[in-house]
Amino acid sequence: GENVEQHPSTLSVQEGDSAVIKCTYSDSASNYFPWYKQELGKRPQLIIDIRSNVGEKKDQRIAVTLNKTAKHFSLHITETQPEDSAVYFCAAISNFGNEKLTFGTGTRLTIIP
Amino acid sequence: DAGVIQSPRHEVTEMGQEVTLRCKPISGHNSLFWYRQTMMRGLELLIYFNNNVPIDDSGMPEDRFSAKMPNASFSTLKIQPSEPRDSAVYFCASTRDGFRTEAFFGQGTRLTVV
Repeated sequence: GENVEQHPSTLSVQEGDSAVIKCTYSDSASNYFPWYKQELGKRPQLIIDIRSNVGEKKDQRIAVTLNKTAKHFSLHITETQPEDSAVYFCAAISNFGNEKLTFGTGTRLTIIP
Repeated sequence: DAGVIQSPRHEVTEMGQEVTLRCKPISGHNSLFWYRQTMMRGLELLIYFNNNVPIDDSGMPEDRFSAKMPNASFSTLKIQPSEPRDSAVYFCASTRDGFRTEAFFGQGTRLTVV
């Protein structure tokens, strides 16, 4: 099945700086890559997703890039703010056997005021 | 819509007892997912339903776990008998259609088995 690796596991950045979280996946047929944000004690919520027919997608301060050749995708947050502090999960669709969404292990992002 | 509703929010039970977690998906969504979240294993898919039919239960850890979806607006996840290693946060999520659309998660049930 799909294997999604996520790095780093923890990340601290100064408020206003950028944060980058990277994920790799194993199934070359994967074609849907969402990112979820989970604030402390809350539920995961979708913040952005990308499909394999595009290489980059932006939504205000958030962007995701996809490199299908290298099988990796990244989340970029610019001009970070304290409310960006959360755990971020990447995920990828596996088309091996039954279709399934596999999550990375998460990155705990802390924004330092 | 109130979103995905789970109950209870917290459950503390003794080892060996039966535990039932409940979920009401968003109206109009035809896919429902049960996830388990722990520090060690992250977010694991336990089972998912499409149009009330179980499609993939390969993530269900043992026969002690079972899930049902008797209609489009209700699902249960049952653990019988419960064990301390089942302690985790259990999330239910629903989507309009399968994995390729936004998953809306419930607030989760924090289960503690002592």
